[in-house]
Amino acid sequence: DVKVTQSSRYLVKRTGEKVFLECVQDMDHENMFWYRQDPGLGLRLIYFSYDVKMKEKGDIPEGYSVSREKKERFSLILESASTNQTSMYLCASSSPGSGINNEQFFGPGTRLTVL
Amino acid sequence: AQKITQTQPGMFVQEKEAVTLDCTYDTSDPSYGLFWYKQPSSGEMIFLIYQGSYDQQNATEGRYSLNFQKARKSANLVISASQLGDSAMYFCAMRGTGNQFYFGTGTSLTVIP
Repeated sequence: DVKVTQSSRYLVKRTGEKVFLECVQDMDHENMFWYRQDPGLGLRLIYFSYDVKMKEKGDIPEGYSVSREKKERFSLILESASTNQTSMYLCASSSPGSGINNEQFFGPGTRLTVL
Repeated sequence: AQKITQTQPGMFVQEKEAVTLDCTYDTSDPSYGLFWYKQPSSGEMIFLIYQGSYDQQNATEGRYSLNFQKARKSANLVISASQLGDSAMYFCAMRGTGNQFYFGTGTSLTVIP
């Protein structure tokens, strides 16, 4: 059973804390993604990675960084959490772009609350 | 620019009836794929159906079908014989020849008993 897992389903942090969200996939996918989901705004891409140590900014990278040291793991880092980063964070993975029929597989999501 | 538009923030349907969720897209890629995902209240995103831009026939998966009108750049999801478990958010997404996916803002579907 293919899977994308995220380290936490719910997380509560304080303003200014450094926050790590971990994502692991077992499908040997090259591409991994971090999205933020807010009501009425859909899914917005924060960062994605198409290979180990490679990353590209998405639509809303400000306040976030990422790390991909191993193919199966993609981490999202909030350097100094702020209340406007309270949101649902979704990780996804997919096969490379040449296969346009390859869908994204999603993790269960992390609901982050920053107080 | 790549863009997905879902104009229905919320929809209601009677149990056992059919419902159509609208999706229009904009892309300059000659080849692209269109996807629909379901997100129940639990939060996980569930892949439902895929349509390729060169596919001649509309995609179907069980009770789900995709009404693909290329000239109109629309990819509406049709759910037949709605069930209470169909109540969820539904997202339309597109992938071009790059690695990125583009998502709409979603439609919240409520099935009424």
